[in-house]
Amino acid sequence: DIQMTQSPSSLSASVGDRVTITCRASQDISNYLAWYQQKPGKVPKLLIHAASTLQSGVPSRFSGSGSGTDFTLTISSLQPEDVATYYCQNYNSAPFIFGPGTKVDIK
Amino acid sequence: EVQLVQSGAEVKKPGESLKISCKGSGYIFSSYWIGWVRQMPGKGLEWMGIMYPGDSDSRYSPSFQGQVTISADKSISTAYLQWSSLKASDTAMYYCARSLYSSGWYFGYWGQGTLVTVSS
Repeated sequence: DIQMTQSPSSLSASVGDRVTITCRASQDISNYLAWYQQKPGKVPKLLIHAASTLQSGVPSRFSGSGSGTDFTLTISSLQPEDVATYYCQNYNSAPFIFGPGTKVDIK
Repeated sequence: EVQLVQSGAEVKKPGESLKISCKGSGYIFSSYWIGWVRQMPGKGLEWMGIMYPGDSDSRYSPSFQGQVTISADKSISTAYLQWSSLKASDTAMYYCARSLYSSGWYFGYWGQGTLVTVSS
């Protein structure tokens, strides 16, 4: 089975900072990678699919890149409402597991 | 508008059985994959399994294979997650979620979650 790792596990940044989260797959998953945001106490929300396609309604400060085994989620200018845990997900081959998550908060 | 409405919170004892539900509306239920995700208290998202109601094709995580059963009743647009014998370690929030498109196994729509508490 494909394993997913994320780094860092948590980060603290200032409002307006550029934030980058990395996700790595243990095997080539092409671009079958999704990113989700889960705010505290809320339901997860799809941000990005196909590694770089922004879901409708998601602010343009979010972007995704990568293919194969290495992927990144970037928040170009961190906002207070971006405080959340971010998860990547492989959907190339079952089981379509999530990464362990990266918790983002404001410094 | 696509909606997934899950059944209410449950409190059960170890060894009891349970079936929770997820009713879809606003779309053709049989044409989209629907899956289940576990989130234990204070922990991350765990992918449990997924089913295509149109033909009952299903995939399970090895971690949950044999521990739970995913099913669906197309006639009432409802998916189910079932346990035959609960353990305390099954205490968690369970989300159902639907694929964004009819193909592709990532989740564009989520239910509100069902909290399952297993305690003696």
